[in-house]
Order: sequence, then C-alpha cells, then structure tokens
Amino acid sequence: AQSVTQLDSQVPVFEEAPVELRCNYSSSVSVYLFWYVQYPNQGLQLLLKYLSGSTLVKGINGFEAEFNKSQTSFHLRKPSVHISDTAEYFCAVKARGGQNFVFGPGTRLSVLP
Amino acid sequence: GAGVSQSPRYKVAKRGQDVALRCDPISGHVSLFWYQQALGQGPEFLTYFQNEAQLDKSGLPSDRFFAERPEGSVSTLKIQRTQQEDSAVYLCASSLQGINAGNTIYFGEGSWLTVV
Repeated sequence: AQSVTQLDSQVPVFEEAPVELRCNYSSSVSVYLFWYVQYPNQGLQLLLKYLSGSTLVKGINGFEAEFNKSQTSFHLRKPSVHISDTAEYFCAVKARGGQNFVFGPGTRLSVLP
Repeated sequence: GAGVSQSPRYKVAKRGQDVALRCDPISGHVSLFWYQQALGQGPEFLTYFQNEAQLDKSGLPSDRFFAERPEGSVSTLKIQRTQQEDSAVYLCASSLQGINAGNTIYFGEGSWLTVV
C-alpha cells in the first residue's frame, strides 16, 4: 500500500516570491509520482509527473518538482508565484503496475498581493 | 467530448434518498475511475473500470455504493439510502489506455453531493 503526506495544509506567500510545497510518500514498491492542481469549483489538473529518468521534472505554469528516492520526497517548487497560482495542490502516487492513484490531503497555496 | 463531463454538478438529497451520478469520459478512453473527495481532503479511490469491466471496487465504502459502465463508455455511480457522511464531491476521471506506466488521468469537475 502507498501513502502520501503533505505536511503543510496551508502556505501563504507574497506574489513574485518563491514557493516550495512539500510531499513525502511511503511505498513498498516502486511508484510514479504526480502533482495535481485544483482551482475553486473545478476538477484536478495535472501539473507534472515523474515516471523515470531525470529526477527534476518540469511542468506547466512554471512549476517543477524533484524526485528524491532516498528521502522519498517529491517537493513542488516555483521560483516566482502569481496571484493566479492560488489553488489547492495535491501530490499523488501510483504503484508501477497498479491502477489506484493515492492522493495526499492537499496544500492550499494562497498568493498575496 | 473535449473533457470528462459529470452530471449533475450539484445535488442535494434527503437522507435515505437514492442518487445517481453520471460520468461521460473522454471519447475513446479505456480506463475510468471514481473518487470521493470530502471537504478539505484529497480524493480517495472508489472504483476502477477498464472498458466495461469493473476491475477494482475495493474503495467503495459500503454496499450502498454501486457503479456500472455497461457499454464501456458512460458510467453511473449510484448511492442508495444516502447518509450524511456521503456528502462529498464525487470525481470521475478517465485515461486513454489501460492502466500502465504513468498514463495521465483526466478529471471531471465533480458532482457535489450534499445529504440533508
């Protein structure tokens, strides 16, 4: 079984500042890793995913994440946030060969003017 | 269709009432998922279909929950004798291929169920 921890339930940050949203996971098997964003009253949208290869993954809207196997982490970063980045961010894992995506509890990013 | 479509978007049900939530996946998508998202939490897996076959229903919380996808396209999630704890957003997602590698899944906007 897999589990995902997002230690920060809320992250306030000023516009144009950098941000890091933390994600740690637990799994007895190899996994694929994902970050999804959910804007108010909308479904989840894929930001980026790690399948294999380079541990630094770039996604949409200027976000990137780095897979660290030894620390079982997949933290999401953006060097300069915009007001429009205000949303809920979910980290998810899926076991290789499995079909179930396991989501973390989410981190609410609030970008302040 | 262009995206995953869910209906109704909002449903208020009286406790004990049966509800049916519909999901139209992206045309041609083989895999279909249902997730339940309680307020302030991440989505939790309910069930998974590959075409018309329900391959995993381990996440369904009770026998009051039932899902079907009879022709391998549209899916319906049915909740019988709704309880207040069923209040949540029900998310449908689809994927082009069978679950393999890290295929991207595309989510609908969800059906918001409130049981009063």
